Amino acid sequence: QKEVEQNSGPLSVPEGAIASLNCTYSDRVSQSFFWYRQYSGKSPELIMSIYSNGDKEDGRFTAQLNKASQYVSLLIRDSQPSDSATYLCAVNIWNQGGKLIFGQGTELSVKP
Amino acid sequence: SQTIHQWPATLVQPVGSPLSLECTVEGTSNPNLYWYRQAAGRGLQLLFYSVGIGQISSEVPQNLSASRPQDRQFILSSKKLLLSDSGFYLCAWRRSNTGELFFGEGSRLTVL
Repeated sequence: QKEVEQNSGPLSVPEGAIASLNCTYSDRVSQSFFWYRQYSGKSPELIMSIYSNGDKEDGRFTAQLNKASQYVSLLIRDSQPSDSATYLCAVNIWNQGGKLIFGQGTELSVKP
Repeated sequence: SQTIHQWPATLVQPVGSPLSLECTVEGTSNPNLYWYRQAAGRGLQLLFYSVGIGQISSEVPQNLSASRPQDRQFILSSKKLLLSDSGFYLCAWRRSNTGELFFGEGSRLTVL
């Protein structure tokens, strides 16, 4: 089992819809979880951090964490074509010295 | 505020040639620094990390090496490049109180 898993996509949603991106992780002791957005040819950009169970909202973005199910998700409300990018989930793996391990990323396409 | 810069942004090198990628961080002292590689269509692979001057941990056995000659400088090197070294190389620094990683602009390497 991979340490951090995401569906590669592509996930296609119409403009204005809610995009739902999912991520599972294997290390039960992980404490810190991050979502990055990466536009084609660019470096990843941090968009959300979440550390405790529940929801965390920032503008159109909501991160959801369920440590019991080892699951973290990102919801993007009112999706815009400018949200089209690859979204990377990252998890702090404590049994590996606290290093940040990334999933393969989910490609999101928002159609006008 | 903190900034991170990498150079060169793009390079094309023949197989067997040497490599040197540089990364500098401003606005923070004694940061944890990281080198990641992203192959085409793949996730981020951690290559090296450093917690201080002269302290390097290697994650993947390969023909690459890293050095940290100064507190805010991190260098990735190779004596002889392989075709498989092609990819997008990303330097990052870690905010210690949150665990968040912030990436530089990246260096795209093509080995021919």
